[in-house]
Amino acid sequence: ETGVTQSPTHLIKTRGQQVTLRCSSQSGHNTVSWYQQALGQGPQFIFQYYREEENGRGNFPPRFSGLQFPNYSSELNVNALELDDSALYLCASSHLAGERETQYFGPGTRLLVL
Amino acid sequence: QQQVKQSPQSLIVQKGGIPIINCAYENTAFDYFPWYQQFPGKGPALLIAIRPDVSEKKEGRFTISFNKSAKQFSLHIMDSQPGDSATYFCAASNPGGSYIPTFGRGTSLIVHP
Repeated sequence: ETGVTQSPTHLIKTRGQQVTLRCSSQSGHNTVSWYQQALGQGPQFIFQYYREEENGRGNFPPRFSGLQFPNYSSELNVNALELDDSALYLCASSHLAGERETQYFGPGTRLLVL
Repeated sequence: QQQVKQSPQSLIVQKGGIPIINCAYENTAFDYFPWYQQFPGKGPALLIAIRPDVSEKKEGRFTISFNKSAKQFSLHIMDSQPGDSATYFCAASNPGGSYIPTFGRGTSLIVHP
């Protein structure tokens, strides 16, 4: 098991609502990346936070936003939910933003938008 | 635009067989090619990775073959076991200060006892 935890594990929302997902990074890790994994697809990069600053963003609209806190935990916020936002949301933490071999994923939060 | 194409979508083998999963990429700037293993209810976990300066890498029963000129790479699982049943993703990333992998769509592998 990695030391990356996510909450909640499952969530059901309706279209138009807002949602906040949380991630606690592994001890000693200062970088958190968020991914969206639609059913039957590979993870797609949403954005990365390094030492509380956004450090890269994928092709997602501005209604996807995030935060990283001084303890390096992180939140993903999604406003105006759409049906296509239904997916598994994964966070991954690493010691450095460019670190590859030791980026660890959490178990994800499964979001269903009705 | 799908930058990393993975095939097959699903694969069924008998215990001891050698499943092979293939990936092709378009971006010649990619310099790191990892494979991830994902079990149901878990996040992906790095299995093995290769850089383009070598043509093959082995770690235990897992081997990556890399063909730079064809822009293709593949994962071979030797002596496959039922515990290898999982979804496998190939990925590729650019050099730079941030590790942002582009994933393939995944291959669901079932190894029958």
